[in-house]
Amino acid sequence: DIQMTQSPSSLSASVGDRVTISCRASQSISKFLNWYQQKPGKAPNLLISTTSILQGGVPSRFSGSGSGTYFTLTISSLQPEDFASYYCQQTYSSLLTFGGGTKVHIK
Amino acid sequence: QLQLRESGPGLVKPLETLSLTCSVSGDFFRDTSYNWGWIRQPPGKGLEWIGTVTYSGITYYGPSLKSRVTISVDSSKNHFSLKLTSVTAADTAIYYCARQGYNGYANWFDPWGQGTPVTVSS
Repeated sequence: DIQMTQSPSSLSASVGDRVTISCRASQSISKFLNWYQQKPGKAPNLLISTTSILQGGVPSRFSGSGSGTYFTLTISSLQPEDFASYYCQQTYSSLLTFGGGTKVHIK
Repeated sequence: QLQLRESGPGLVKPLETLSLTCSVSGDFFRDTSYNWGWIRQPPGKGLEWIGTVTYSGITYYGPSLKSRVTISVDSSKNHFSLKLTSVTAADTAIYYCARQGYNGYANWFDPWGQGTPVTVSS
C-alpha cells in the first residue's frame, strides 16, 4: 500500500502567518491527493480534492499544489478559525491511505 | 442536503464483533455514482480508512483490517453497515461513515457523518 508522510506533525503559528504543510507519497500518485481539515470534536471536512480543487465554501486563502510524490497545502494568511488538524489522503490506489496529520497550534 | 449518521453500541467486549450502521438521508443513496466508506480515528491519533462499498455491494478493504472486516449495503433501508470481528483495545476509536464521491478519475470523502465513539473493554 502507498504510505503518506506529512510534515511537520505539528506547528505553531500566528494569525496572519503563511503556513505550508507537506505531504509525501511513497510512490507516484499523479494528482490524486485530497486535503481535509478537522477541528476538535468534529468530523473531518474536505478542503481540497485532486491536489488543487478548492471545495465550495472554502476560503481562497487555502491552496494546494504538487504532483507525483510531493504535495503542499498552503494557508496564505492564517485566521483564527484555521487552527485545526489537516490530513492528506491519496486516492491513486483503490487502497486508500491518509497521512498522519498536521496540527496547527496558536503561537 | 445529504446527511449521514452512524449508530451502534458504544461499548464492545474484547473478542466480540463490533457492528455499526450508517443511515443515509433522502434518495442520495440510490445515486450509483457514489460509493460509501468507513474511516476510524483512535483517540488522539490520525485517520485510518477501513473500507468502501459500492451501491451494488462490491467492497474494498484496507489491508490491516481486511481479515476481520465486512462492509455491506442495504439499499432498501438506505444504509450501509460495518462489522469488525474479534475486537481488541486497539479497535477503540471514533468510527466515521462518509460518502465517496467520484468524477470519473478521482475520488474523495464528502460529506462525513458526525462519528460514533466505540470503546473495546470488558
